[in-house]
Amino acid sequence: EAQVTQNPRYLITVTGKKLTVTCSQNMNHEYMSWYRQDPGLGLRQIYYSMNVEVTDKGDVPEGYKVSRKEKRNFPLILESPSPNQTSLYFCASSLSAPSGRRDYEQYFGPGTRLTVT
Amino acid sequence: ILNVEQSPQSLHVQEGDSTNFTCSFPSSNFYALHWYRWETAKSPEALFVMTLNGDEKKKGRISATLNTKEGYSYLYIKGSQPEDSATYLCAPGRNTPLVFGKGTRLSVIA
Repeated sequence: EAQVTQNPRYLITVTGKKLTVTCSQNMNHEYMSWYRQDPGLGLRQIYYSMNVEVTDKGDVPEGYKVSRKEKRNFPLILESPSPNQTSLYFCASSLSAPSGRRDYEQYFGPGTRLTVT
Repeated sequence: ILNVEQSPQSLHVQEGDSTNFTCSFPSSNFYALHWYRWETAKSPEALFVMTLNGDEKKKGRISATLNTKEGYSYLYIKGSQPEDSATYLCAPGRNTPLVFGKGTRLSVIA
């Protein structure tokens, strides 16, 4: 079954304790992306990756890191989490990056609800 | 940051009513317009990706139109059902990440 998986689904942690949220897709998609969803602010892009070893900042990258060593995986790293990073996080992937010739629909993971105390 | 407006913010309709809502976006440098459906406690799911001015797409009772010259898209739901209750998001595609609107939250009352 084609899917995007995220782990963990729920996490409560304390300020400053490094954490990683994993994201994996089995569709051989080139493009992967992380979003956070906050009430009243909608979905905002954190980082994206056009392909292996190619990553770039989205609209709200501060406090996050990503890596793309393999095509299927795109982990989100919070080196020193803070309470303002409490949010619902979604990973998404699509066949390739949006372009002038063709845009591809994104497939979203189930979400990770993170609470930082 | 790209400015994407969706209206209304929320909408309550009776089962069987037809409804529509709007996504407005800058018409310059247009690439594509994405619509997603997001049910509570689930993940967003793609409905349509539209690229050409005048495009019309349909999936069951849901359809969408696109006007790239004036920068808007309409999403229509014919004969709303309770299972249509969700937040509908639009996002103009471009050569960088998608920027989502804040969505229209639809509640269909049985």
